[in-house]
Amino acid sequence: DQQVKQNSPSLSVQEGRISILNCDYTNSMFDYFLWYKKYPAEGPTFLISISSIKDKNEDGRFTVFLNKSAKHLSLHIVPSQPGDSAVYFCAAYTPNSNSGYALNFGKGTSLLVTP
Amino acid sequence: IAGITQAPTSQILAAGRRMTLRCTQDMRHNAMYWYRQDLGLGLRLIHYSNTAGTTGKGEVPDGYSVSRANTDDFPLTLASAVPSQTSVYFCASSDWGVSGSIEQFFGPGTRLTVL
Repeated sequence: DQQVKQNSPSLSVQEGRISILNCDYTNSMFDYFLWYKKYPAEGPTFLISISSIKDKNEDGRFTVFLNKSAKHLSLHIVPSQPGDSAVYFCAAYTPNSNSGYALNFGKGTSLLVTP
Repeated sequence: IAGITQAPTSQILAAGRRMTLRCTQDMRHNAMYWYRQDLGLGLRLIHYSNTAGTTGKGEVPDGYSVSRANTDDFPLTLASAVPSQTSVYFCASSDWGVSGSIEQFFGPGTRLTVL
């Protein structure tokens, strides 16, 4: 049962505009959320994270928003650049997991930023 | 070595053969993980290890085994490969319990094709 859901498999945005990637979760015990970026033929790399005690975290062009009541988080990229074209994975962690310190990953959203 | 290395980079394997995917990290992280990535399914946890000497099953453990004899190495073994194990395999590690960070660092992946 998928506990972390990324319902948009793909997204296309024009260079300079805002990219918004969405993620929903079902487990209210998740208390930490992360976004990973993955280029083809490479491993995922950590991008930004947010604790459940916060509703916003910002790092340069990347901002993650968390709405706990809606069990929803989003990643905003402003302004979008062609080099941002990649697959973005949303991930969540709960200390009550049966899998130790492992993360629950969504299926990913493929972002294409066009010039 | 810097970070996580995986070997081989890619492999074509006949069904029924035994195969071990290697993973080594030099960050002295306590926890390590194996994921498989399949199109449309995202990253799914196969096995994990919270510390040397311990292992646990993830979401899709059937057909795979792991061992964690020391901190640095976390090999994944397919005892008798089947075509459904065709996938890209990622090894990851994290420093949870030491630095308090749950961020996972990923290797470059092994692309495995079982015919």
